[in-house]
Amino acid sequence: GQQVMQIPQYQHVQEGEDFTTYCNSSTTLSNIQWYKQRPGGHPVFLIQLVKSGEVKKQKRLTFQFGEAKKNSSLHITATQTTDVGTYFCAGPFGYGGSQGNLIFGKGTKLSVKP
Amino acid sequence: SQTIHQWPATLVQPVGSPLSLECTVEGTSNPNLYWYRQAAGRGLQLLFYSVGIGQISSEVPQNLSASRPQDRQFILSSKKLLLSDSGFYLCAWSSANTEAFFGQGTRLTVV
Repeated sequence: GQQVMQIPQYQHVQEGEDFTTYCNSSTTLSNIQWYKQRPGGHPVFLIQLVKSGEVKKQKRLTFQFGEAKKNSSLHITATQTTDVGTYFCAGPFGYGGSQGNLIFGKGTKLSVKP
Repeated sequence: SQTIHQWPATLVQPVGSPLSLECTVEGTSNPNLYWYRQAAGRGLQLLFYSVGIGQISSEVPQNLSASRPQDRQFILSSKKLLLSDSGFYLCAWSSANTEAFFGQGTRLTVV
């Protein structure tokens, strides 16, 4: 079936260390999306990657979409306590790559020790 | 601007009781609508999605059902709740090939 695998499940870092989470899809995706969920909150959209090999940056966050459009990564440089939360990737598995069936990975829960 | 409303925020229900969670979207037409469930400390499990009125796709067989009686209204229901139905239920909407916007969620505890 359609799956989005995400590793690691948990990551504990010291403030200032880097963090990376990886996402793999069972099939080629038309796009991949990343979300952040703060403790007790709901997921909030961060970014969408569409093109093969695409790299996007948001301040200390770097997002990559693989050449085969089946994997992606999120890298945070020099983590801060405000980065705490669970990071999810998501891919659309609708017919023709439409958004209809939006599947999320299980997420990577990041904790940052000050 | 678009907004999504989901209620109630928290709910405690006895085993065997019915359930009805409602979600409405404002400021957009013909959105894709989703119901997700998140068990404590776990990922987002897609339960149902809808690309139009009366069109419901179920991802996981269970004792839950969904309906879309109006373009911007999505309802999650159960006739008899189980203990395993406890969790954080999230409604979301998106336009074609754009990001999903989530409601605040309903924390359901079945006792």
